[in-house]
Amino acid sequence: GNSVTQMEGPVTLSEEAFLTINCTYTATGYPSLFWYVQYPGEGLQLLLKATKADDKGSNKGFEATYRKETTSFHLEKGSVQVSDSAVYFCALATNTGFQKLVFGTGTRLLVSP
Amino acid sequence: NAGVMQNPRHLVRRRGQEARLRCSPMKGHSHVYWYRQLPEEGLKFMVYLQKENIIDESGMPKERFSAEFPKEGPSILRIQQVVRGDSAAYFCASSPTFTGGQSEAFFGQGTRLTVV
Repeated sequence: GNSVTQMEGPVTLSEEAFLTINCTYTATGYPSLFWYVQYPGEGLQLLLKATKADDKGSNKGFEATYRKETTSFHLEKGSVQVSDSAVYFCALATNTGFQKLVFGTGTRLLVSP
Repeated sequence: NAGVMQNPRHLVRRRGQEARLRCSPMKGHSHVYWYRQLPEEGLKFMVYLQKENIIDESGMPKERFSAEFPKEGPSILRIQQVVRGDSAAYFCASSPTFTGGQSEAFFGQGTRLTVV
């Protein structure tokens, strides 16, 4: 079946540090890949996405590249801010159009000043 | 354009009571999805609905849970005879009619159900 595996958290960083959150997936066919962010007490917001191999999604300084050969979609940011503290979810969808998302368990990021 | 609206934000029910969770999709969206987030876990797909139709309910527990999306009004997720294990955050998402490829799902802020 389809699944997403994320590195366990929490990830604790100082402001301006480099961030990597690992995500690997198992899927039939060619999934679309997503990163969602959940701020405390809020719903999920789409951070970035990639729909085919070698695509790079980017937004707000975050980037992730769809690597078919390693079935990975690692999230990176060159310099984190305190305001980036949140839970980050990697997800995939295999159905064209129909957004039946399969989520990883989430990685909590804590950024200190 | 208001986002996906869920209410209530917090709901407390005693064991055996019924819980009704409401979701109003974004304007112009005709597809609704419900997800459940158990403590310290990721979101799990429950059901996908279009107006007056259940398209995929493969993630719904077989008993006590039901969902509807009537022609008029919000989508409702109904949990009968709640048990402590139903305590979770329930998120609704909506998306527009597809025009090819993937369309983005927009999430509401969720309803946090606590069963006491």
